[in-house]
Amino acid sequence: QKEVEQDPGPLSVPEGAIVSLNCTYSNSAFQYFMWYRQYSRKGPELLMYTYSSGNKEDGRFTAQVDKSSKYISLFIRDSQPSDSATYLCARGILIQGAQGAQKLVFGQGTRLTINP
Amino acid sequence: DAGVIQSPRHEVTEMGQEVTLRCKPISGHDYLFWYRQTMMRGLELLIYFNNNVPIDDSGMPEDRFSAKMPNASFSTLKIQPSEPRDSAVYFCASTTFRGGGYTFGSGTRLTVV
Repeated sequence: QKEVEQDPGPLSVPEGAIVSLNCTYSNSAFQYFMWYRQYSRKGPELLMYTYSSGNKEDGRFTAQVDKSSKYISLFIRDSQPSDSATYLCARGILIQGAQGAQKLVFGQGTRLTINP
Repeated sequence: DAGVIQSPRHEVTEMGQEVTLRCKPISGHDYLFWYRQTMMRGLELLIYFNNNVPIDDSGMPEDRFSAKMPNASFSTLKIQPSEPRDSAVYFCASTTFRGGGYTFGSGTRLTVV
């Protein structure tokens, strides 16, 4: 079993729809949870970052973590064509001796297309 | 800051040749990571450095792969000899000891024919 499982999609929705992207993880030791967005032929860029259960909101994006069920979600409201990208969930374990730097393990990524 | 800079952007080489990928991390970042991305396996961590010292190379697939960081502003990932199954996008990323997420470079797309 992979440490982080993510449905690769592809997922296609109309502009303006609410998008829900999900991941599950298997190791309770995971302390940090992130979502990265990757446009075609580009490197991943950090979208959301959290270390606690519950919701974290940033504009149209909401990250949700449920540690009891080992479930991570990303919601995109009022989706735009510019949101079309691959979304990667990642879990992090603190590197020993570091204040906050982590080793990250990524899910497979979900390819999302927003249709105008 | 120009971000994490990788070169070359694309590399096409013949099987058996040596390939060297280069990375310049963000100035002041203490940690540097090398990842490989393929359709089948996604993003895999190969090796990471802290203050130029290799800390964990357990993700390096074979002895054909080696990585160095001679100073705080430069790292290389070398494959010798290269094989077609090494074809992938190789990313370099850096972060500070305080964490907060990585900054990735734009990647090097390697094709071994």
